[in-house]
Amino acid sequence: GAGVSQSPSNKVTEKGKDVELRCDPISGHTALYWYRQSLGQGLEFLIYFQGNSAPDKSGLPSDRFSAERTGGSVSTLTIQRTQQEDSAVYLCASSPDRASNQPQHFGDGTRLSIL
Amino acid sequence: GIQVEQSPPDLILQEGANSTLRCNFSDSVNNLQWFHQNPWGQLINLFYIPSGTKQNGRLSATTVATERYSLLYISSSQTTDSGVYFCAVDAGGTSYGKLTFGQGTILTVHP
Repeated sequence: GAGVSQSPSNKVTEKGKDVELRCDPISGHTALYWYRQSLGQGLEFLIYFQGNSAPDKSGLPSDRFSAERTGGSVSTLTIQRTQQEDSAVYLCASSPDRASNQPQHFGDGTRLSIL
Repeated sequence: GIQVEQSPPDLILQEGANSTLRCNFSDSVNNLQWFHQNPWGQLINLFYIPSGTKQNGRLSATTVATERYSLLYISSSQTTDSGVYFCAVDAGGTSYGKLTFGQGTILTVHP
């Protein structure tokens, strides 16, 4: 597509539920990144994919967070047993490849609220 | 890891004024991007500028990589320039491809 697409745009759920967030990168982009923006922490890196593999999972805050990417395209970020501190905007970005000399392009994000 | 500091944290302008936003970083970088986050939360790419100077309309940016800072210039500001401006860097090495963001500068432009 023309830009990075994320869904849903908003998600409200009860504490303890599982949620899935979806990211569809720009067509042809092999690198995909997940970030989180919360009031107390600013914008922070979660995980990135090159193709279907995720060499760097260092930013995932706990083992309740996982992500996968299939077919080198769409990625899903899953949060299990959600907690109130998981409330944030989850942003996805993509770039042509993982090389640092490529700008990252961001989607509009998913605003997640845990009640 | 690399540290990114932006200044000023807040900036209030009258429409038509010029401004300079600064981004300091603590180590050499392979990538530096400036973003504008509008009131709807969208992160808009302004510049990809690991070094040198670029201009796009009323906006321009300069990165002096050897001195570890970047500047974003906004001329003849408009109310639509309001929002948060972020600087983000990729330090390479084990952080290759991962952007580290500054805390942002909140810009408010009054008519």
